[in-house]
This record gives sequence, structure tokens and C-alpha cells, in this order.
Amino acid sequence: NAGVMQNPRHLVRRRGQEARLRCSPMKGHSHVYWYRQLPEEGLKFMVYLQKENIIDESGMPKERFSAEFPKEGPSILRIQQVVRGDSAAYFCASSPRVWGQRNTEAFFGQGTRLTVV
Amino acid sequence: KNEVEQSPQNLTAQEGEFITINCSYSVGISALHWLQQHPGGGIVSLFMLSSGKKKHGRLIATINIQEKHSSLHITASHPRDSAVYICAVKLTFGKGTLLTVNP
Repeated sequence: NAGVMQNPRHLVRRRGQEARLRCSPMKGHSHVYWYRQLPEEGLKFMVYLQKENIIDESGMPKERFSAEFPKEGPSILRIQQVVRGDSAAYFCASSPRVWGQRNTEAFFGQGTRLTVV
Repeated sequence: KNEVEQSPQNLTAQEGEFITINCSYSVGISALHWLQQHPGGGIVSLFMLSSGKKKHGRLIATINIQEKHSSLHITASHPRDSAVYICAVKLTFGKGTLLTVNP
């Protein structure tokens, strides 16, 4: 059972381009969480999805950012018209049920480091 | 709004020392998590706690639900323990404690 897989590990985009970050959860996990870590800062929650549904997107900027977790395939975090301030490490985590409930743990991917030039 | 505060922000220790990192939070919870992140690396879950104490090797985590406080202890610290330790509660993360253990 592979862990949470994120790709690409590193992504360079020019200002104005689109960035697509992929997260394949662990087998049997239907809950996915995306976090952003800006340089020298802590992790900030962005969005929580459960198969085809966005449960909580309170941490995601309203413009240019979107997330999906289709019935088949990985979860995608999409950033349109990237700007230099989007440069960060983006982590996803997955869990079989709601993280923290009934002793449910979440497992993290290695992250995607986005650099906007 | 859930607030998660960690202290200290930075901690330097000599190999062999006993380490304590603290975490306070503001909302009622069912579980608190301690995570470890090595520089440039991924994130590893160390503990999930809902009450009392847990121990894995040289790591011990405790939680006091009434006081909304948790501590992570490292006994006989080693340079390979050098990392950022992060406390997380209900999708909110503390800013992390950067631990450096010198040989």
C-alpha cells in the first residue's frame, strides 16, 4: 500500500501560467486535505474534500484557486494565473474517515514545491 | 476560531538532553496531532492523542483536555531528532518548533 503520492515534487511556472498539483490518496482513503506552507511559515489549511465533494474550502483563496477530487483519479489543486506569491510547498494528506475522529489518522504526501518565476 | 500556539519557536539542545515542546489550543477537540517535518522534507505523523499519554521509543506525548494543553517530550535527544515539530488541532496547525540538537 503506497503512501500518499504527490506529483510533481517540484514545479516551476512563469507568472500567468497555470499550475496543477496532484495528490493520490492512500488506498481506501476518501478524505483529502490540502495545505500550503509559505517560506519560513507554518502550514495553513486550504481545502478539505471527500470524494467528489468539497467539505470545507475556508482556507482557499476565492480567486484563481480551485480543488477537486473526482470519483476516479487523484485530487487536483489548480492555481490559475500564478503569481510570485503563490510560490510555496503544497502538501496533501488523506484519511479513511474524518481526521481526528474515532482515532483516525491522516497521512501526508511529500509535497509539491511550486516556484513561480 | 481555533487557535493553536506552540512554544518555544526555536529550541537548541545538546545531544542527550531532555526536550519539551508545548502546544495550547482554544477549542474543544476529539484529538490532537503531533507531526515532524525535516528541512525540505515531507511530514510524518508522530502521535494522535485524545487523552492521557502515548509513547513511541524516545518520544512521549501528553495531553490535558481540560487545560487544552499538550506536550511533546524527547528523551536522550539525538542530532537526528533535529526537525520542525508541529502540533495540529482540527485542521489548524501551530507554527512549529524548530529543534536543533547539537552533537
